[in-house]
Amino acid sequence: NAGVTQTPKFQVLKTGQSMTLQCAQDMNHEYMSWYRQDPGMGLRLIHYSVGAGITDQGEVPNGYNVSRSTTEDFPLRLLSAAPSQTSVYFCASSYSRPTGRNSPLHFGNGTRLTVT
Amino acid sequence: GQQLNQSPQSMFIQEGEDVSMNCTSSSIFNTWLWYKQDPGEGPVLLIALYKAGELTSNGRLTAQFGITRKDSFLNISASIPSDVGIYFCAGQAGNTPLVFGKGTRLSVIA
Repeated sequence: NAGVTQTPKFQVLKTGQSMTLQCAQDMNHEYMSWYRQDPGMGLRLIHYSVGAGITDQGEVPNGYNVSRSTTEDFPLRLLSAAPSQTSVYFCASSYSRPTGRNSPLHFGNGTRLTVT
Repeated sequence: GQQLNQSPQSMFIQEGEDVSMNCTSSSIFNTWLWYKQDPGEGPVLLIALYKAGELTSNGRLTAQFGITRKDSFLNISASIPSDVGIYFCAGQAGNTPLVFGKGTRLSVIA
């Protein structure tokens, strides 16, 4: 199993550009989520999904869109990038929600995004 | 929303020393998790706690779920250079998403 795979690893955007951060998992996990990590702020939840066709907002959803058309994929879209979206983005998945004894949250290795 | 206070923010210790860090919450959690993040990678689960008072070890790491269900601590004994990284606590209440602390950055001086 590859686990949680994120692409790209690095990306530089100009203000106003759009892009999609890809996330795929091969563990048949129902729950998938996106976090952003900023210095001194820890990990903040952007959006999450409890299954295909279902998405919900997290703590900091503004400026981001998600969709979940398959169990495996959970892309994060930036429609019009802003410098405030410069961050490291992590995708994470688990078998189910809430996180139970047999359902820990697995993280990808992140996408480092810079918006100039 | 729920808030987690994690302390200390950073620590510089000598190799071989013991380390202690903790998290407190403004509300009750029914799950506490501890993650470690190495540079350039995503966080990896170290220890999971699901019951108030639970004390769980993973090698040199020990974590406890506070009796009040509003706090948890992580201890690392006899630190080694590879313990360097950022340690995150995370809590969950009911069916809500995990909430993460802001992390403790650990540096180990050989």
